[in-house]
Amino acid sequence: GAVVSQHPSWVICKSGTSVKIECRSLDFQATTMFWYRQFPKQSLMLMATSNEGSKATYEQGVEKDKFLINHASLTLSTLTVTSAHPEDSSFYICSARTSGRSTQYFGPGTRLTVL
Amino acid sequence: GENVEQHPSTLSVQEGDSAVIKCTYSDSASNYFPWYKQELGKGPQLIIDIRSNVGEKKDQRIAVTLNKTAKHFSLHITETQPEDSAVYFCAARTSYDKVIFGPGTSLSVIP
Repeated sequence: GAVVSQHPSWVICKSGTSVKIECRSLDFQATTMFWYRQFPKQSLMLMATSNEGSKATYEQGVEKDKFLINHASLTLSTLTVTSAHPEDSSFYICSARTSGRSTQYFGPGTRLTVL
Repeated sequence: GENVEQHPSTLSVQEGDSAVIKCTYSDSASNYFPWYKQELGKGPQLIIDIRSNVGEKKDQRIAVTLNKTAKHFSLHITETQPEDSAVYFCAARTSYDKVIFGPGTSLSVIP
């Protein structure tokens, strides 16, 4: 099946610093990628949708200047958490979908801890 | 806005018994309904999906049913095994092409 990877799998950073998370589709072209955030014992909340070569569309309540998303190629999207604060600590998961298909394949997630 | 509800939030079954998880959705234009299994500390894994032009789909021990009129869909797992223990999420793709997740069901299969 389709494989999506994320890097890093976990990261610890100091408050005020920026962190970049990579999401890659390994064996298919991801025309659309999605970024989700998941707090402990909660569901996945969609943060933004990005189409290759276009600006990301953010969900209501998600600050686009704080969560920078780049989808410059058909296999790579990045999420940068800028000026991270402890409340940004969460499990960030990306998913990818190819054009014309409904199925979204998820990455393994990145655990972010902001001290 | 679009909403997906899921019940029960926790489910405990004996090994070999069946497990049923039920979901409802609000957007009548939703046309795609995936189910995901998430193990602790991992990303969700697609286990089965169904489209709105189909009422039922089965894959070995897993089946999903869809009632478009009632906006209900359900996951059925038969002959449960301890490795089925995980959190299960139903989801629905809305008319805005977003996949909205239910709150999840924590399934425990007791050996």
